[in-house]
Amino acid sequence: NAGVTQTPKFQVLKTGQSMTLQCAQDMNHNSMYWYRQDPGMGLRLIYYSASEGTTDKGEVPNGYNVSRLNKREFSLRLESAAPSQTSVYFCASREGQGKTYEQYFGPGTRLTVT
Amino acid sequence: KNQVEQSPQSLIILEGKNCTLQCNYTVSPFSNLRWYKQDTGRGPVSLTIMTFSENTKSNGRYTATLDADTKQSSLHITASQLSDSASYICVVSAAGGSYIPTFGRGTSLIVHP
Repeated sequence: NAGVTQTPKFQVLKTGQSMTLQCAQDMNHNSMYWYRQDPGMGLRLIYYSASEGTTDKGEVPNGYNVSRLNKREFSLRLESAAPSQTSVYFCASREGQGKTYEQYFGPGTRLTVT
Repeated sequence: KNQVEQSPQSLIILEGKNCTLQCNYTVSPFSNLRWYKQDTGRGPVSLTIMTFSENTKSNGRYTATLDADTKQSSLHITASQLSDSASYICVVSAAGGSYIPTFGRGTSLIVHP
């Protein structure tokens, strides 16, 4: 039972390049989330998927797209990377949308855009 | 706008000592408050969760308190260990709608031997 896994762990991109961050969970959770964490700031929600087949924008969606490929996988795509997207990206999952469900985080992807 | 403020920003203590971290929030209507521990280079891990009716919750040497009237929470760490060195994040979610919690910036705790 690996929990939430993310690939890659580290990535360096040049401005304008594209890439996809991968996330998978093996806990049969319905809800999945993408956050970014910047120095001196709290985690901010980029996109979330309340259930398979649905996605919604969070607080900072500009410059990103997501795909809920199936119940296990939720990917985050940067179409044209910008230096402002240098950050640590965390994927998380929850069993459902109920308020007290636990949220489990992956180990993060450190992205640098030069 | 929903906000979560944590203090202090950073804290250094000696191994074996106790410490208390603070969290003030303006999230409304309140649903629940969580404390997370985030080790360097890792994702956050939940320590405690408290709903409106709960005013204290313990997890080993970690004890969280909640005062919903003053919108304040604290996390008390007893007999600190080197492994407690981490960032501690307060997270508050509002009632109603989708689960979109508000994260504090965290308190960075360093425990020295």
